[in-house]
Amino acid sequence: DTGVSQDPRHKITKRGQNVTFRCDPISEHNRLYWYRQTLGQGPEFLTYFQNEAQLEKSRLLSDRFSAERPKGSFSTLEIQRTEQGDSAMYLCASSLPRHSNYGYTFGSGTRLTVV
Amino acid sequence: AQSVTQLDSQVPVFEEAPVELRCNYSSSVSVYLFWYVQYPNQGLQLLLKYLSGSTLVKGINGFEAEFNKSQTSFHLRKPSVHISDTAEYFCAVSEANTGNQFYFGTGTSLTVIP
Repeated sequence: DTGVSQDPRHKITKRGQNVTFRCDPISEHNRLYWYRQTLGQGPEFLTYFQNEAQLEKSRLLSDRFSAERPKGSFSTLEIQRTEQGDSAMYLCASSLPRHSNYGYTFGSGTRLTVV
Repeated sequence: AQSVTQLDSQVPVFEEAPVELRCNYSSSVSVYLFWYVQYPNQGLQLLLKYLSGSTLVKGINGFEAEFNKSQTSFHLRKPSVHISDTAEYFCAVSEANTGNQFYFGTGTSLTVIP
């Protein structure tokens, strides 16, 4: 297993377009997390899944954002009608439940630039 | 709710000199504490964590941190830095036992000068 994989690494899109990112967690990890990191800031929690169930969502996750994990394996994060303020690094992480509070494994992130 | 303050946004230090990166937290409940490192265009890598027990925690790459409950601090130290330590360092907390999300500080950019 090579860790948490995110695709694409970089995405440039025009304002108003929809974008979708993918995250493949470590195979035996059934918890998956999405964070957003803007320039000069630390990561901010967006949402997390245990298997296919989305158990918690941040108020940062507006109705233009949707995350899914249909089979409890990979996850997608979609942003509809992108705005310039959505420009950020989107980080995915995964863990086992009993280790979720002990530190996650992060992916390398998807850097989104909205022009 | 929890919050994390990293007091220094940028820390320049000469190679082989010691360094301390400061972190203070605020929480009304027991927390676990973490330091992560982020290299340019990379995700975050766990350096070390404090869950319980000894307040001095050793991590990877020669880093260590000390938990001070009375001062609500978790400062990161290294006795002798290398060029390869140049990176962004993030302090984070999570609620002990029940928390699933991490609260991160704004980061400290460590630059090691040859």
